[in-house]
Amino acid sequence: DAKTTQPTSMDCAEGRAANLPCNHSTISGNEYVYWYRQIHSQGPQYIIHGLKNNETNEMASLIITEDRKSSTLILPHATLRDTAVYYCIVRVDVVTSGTYKYIFGTGTRLKVLA
Amino acid sequence: EAGVTQFPSHSVIEKGQTVTLRCDPISGHDNLYWYRRVMGKEIKFLLHFVKESKQDESGMPNNRFLAERTGGTYSTLKVQPAELEDSGVYFCASSDQGAVEAFFGQGTRLTVV
Repeated sequence: DAKTTQPTSMDCAEGRAANLPCNHSTISGNEYVYWYRQIHSQGPQYIIHGLKNNETNEMASLIITEDRKSSTLILPHATLRDTAVYYCIVRVDVVTSGTYKYIFGTGTRLKVLA
Repeated sequence: EAGVTQFPSHSVIEKGQTVTLRCDPISGHDNLYWYRRVMGKEIKFLLHFVKESKQDESGMPNNRFLAERTGGTYSTLKVQPAELEDSGVYFCASSDQGAVEAFFGQGTRLTVV
């Protein structure tokens, strides 16, 4: 069962910041928040991840609330090529095997408008 | 460097037939995952290999699904016999030990008619 909820769709003007929200109110203390995106007919592509602190890389920023119940993915200057489905994911560690698996949300379909 | 490759990209089969999906992970990646998205649902975990061993197969829906990774390289996912509700997109992903991200293939779109 999904551990995240996201809006179904969003629009963003080209060149503006895209802010994609995600709720994960049942997340456990050691579970990471990951964001992937899927551009049409491709597989999901990693964007960023975090545990407690805000994170930034060359693609995006991730803002996680202090209580860790929600987060926001920020694409600072959206381009037409950022049009995709964005998945907010909780990474669940499998203690018995020392491995992990992703629990995907339903995703937000972001359309960047010219 | 080649990414995760999946074959075929599309498959249309009749109910009751058998289909085998293949995944070639990134070379050297010990971890290999299968996920799938059926119509209208979110992408869901199926199982996880570390090398040739199944570490977690808690997401496999039933015994019509069989995954193998002989030799710890490529993996196959066989559906036998296929049912209508098996239609969807099957993704494979791989990661290196200790890596923070998994790399996904483009998926195999399976249609059972």
